[in-house]
Amino acid sequence: ILNVEQSPQSLHVQEGDSTNFTCSFPSSNFYALHWYRWETAKSPEALFVMTLNGDEKKKGRISATLNTKEGYSYLYIKGSQPEDSATYLCAFITGYSTLTFGKGTMLLVSP
Amino acid sequence: DGGITQSPKYLFRKEGQNVTLSCEQNLNHDAMYWYRQDPGQGLRLIYYSQIVNDFQKGDIAEGYSVSREKKESFPLTVTSAQKNPTAFYLCASTGLRATGGYTFGSGTRLTVV
Repeated sequence: ILNVEQSPQSLHVQEGDSTNFTCSFPSSNFYALHWYRWETAKSPEALFVMTLNGDEKKKGRISATLNTKEGYSYLYIKGSQPEDSATYLCAFITGYSTLTFGKGTMLLVSP
Repeated sequence: DGGITQSPKYLFRKEGQNVTLSCEQNLNHDAMYWYRQDPGQGLRLIYYSQIVNDFQKGDIAEGYSVSREKKESFPLTVTSAQKNPTAFYLCASTGLRATGGYTFGSGTRLTVV
């Protein structure tokens, strides 16, 4: 079973703060890295699917980077807002496996 | 609107009973998946199917069964052999290359009473 580690486990920031999370995954046999946002009482929603080393993706105030050689990805949120409060999941897939999820980072943004 | 529908939202089961969780998608996705979430754990894969009439065991398939008779439907049966079935169950689907990520349903919370 592949291991995906996310840190921190939880984070509490004030509105306007910028924040970042880390996802670590095995660097061998890399195929793709996914980021999802999961708000309470809703379905997980795909944020980014990243496949190339050095990839950087952006969606509004949220961006992500990928380093497949060392096996990590960062998710950044610039100027956090209360509506950013959610659990952020990363998931890793090799060429021969299905998606393996980390435990997630729970973000709470206070007004 | 296209999406995944899971039903029911809440399900209570007596010990020793089998129950079936429904998952239907109208996204024309080839692949469908069942995940289980427990407190403090990541989503764990139970079963998946990449084509009609074919499915594969995931990491925690014991005590579960599935079928894929139609592309749109992937029901999960929690059998009495599942020792600890109380959990939150999520269904997901994707195109074969998953370039857009997975689409998830809203989940079913199963409680054994």
